[in-house]
Amino acid sequence: EDQVTQSPEALRLQEGESSSLNCSYTVSGLRGLFWYRQDPGKGPEFLFTLYSAGEEKEKERLKATLTKKESFLHITAPKPEDSATYLCAVQADPGGSGYSTLTFGKGTMLLVSP
Amino acid sequence: DGGITQSPKYLFRKEGQNVTLSCEQNLNHDAMYWYRQDPGQGLRLIYYSQIVNDFQKGDIAEGYSVSREKKESFPLTVTSAQKNPTAFYLCASSKVAGVRQETQYFGPGTRLLVL
Repeated sequence: EDQVTQSPEALRLQEGESSSLNCSYTVSGLRGLFWYRQDPGKGPEFLFTLYSAGEEKEKERLKATLTKKESFLHITAPKPEDSATYLCAVQADPGGSGYSTLTFGKGTMLLVSP
Repeated sequence: DGGITQSPKYLFRKEGQNVTLSCEQNLNHDAMYWYRQDPGQGLRLIYYSQIVNDFQKGDIAEGYSVSREKKESFPLTVTSAQKNPTAFYLCASSKVAGVRQETQYFGPGTRLLVL
């Protein structure tokens, strides 16, 4: 069974204090790994897609990286407006059927204090 | 603006009642999805559809039903058979994938509460 584990469950940072969120996965036939941001009471907002080990993507203060077993979301000099829950999801196609659905982790709740 | 709309934002269900959640997209996406989100749990897939007039069960389809009569619309009915319907329901859409999964874009969600 595909599994996606995010850590930590919650993280509190001071403004400007850089850190990383982790997403580890156990799937066969990884097709893609997705990062989303979710604000309370709202739908997830797409951030990044990573397809292969070694790939990196950046957007403002966020940088996502991917290895064969995990992904990191690095947050550099965070601001209070970065406070949200960050979700990781993986798509795997172990049978090679050409289509499979996403498996989501439970998320990391980030709070950045001024 | 292209996007996904869900209505209503809040929905109240009485015992034994069926309720329908609306999801509409104008992104010209072929695939649409319904997820359920509960506190402390990841998003769980209820149903998905890759093309009009076709849909597949996800991991937790029991007590739910869907239809896909138009490309733009994918309504979800929560039936009286769903004994624990209180949750945040999210609709998403994507282009139909080839080898790679296309990005899923989400609507704003509907919160369902039981009276």
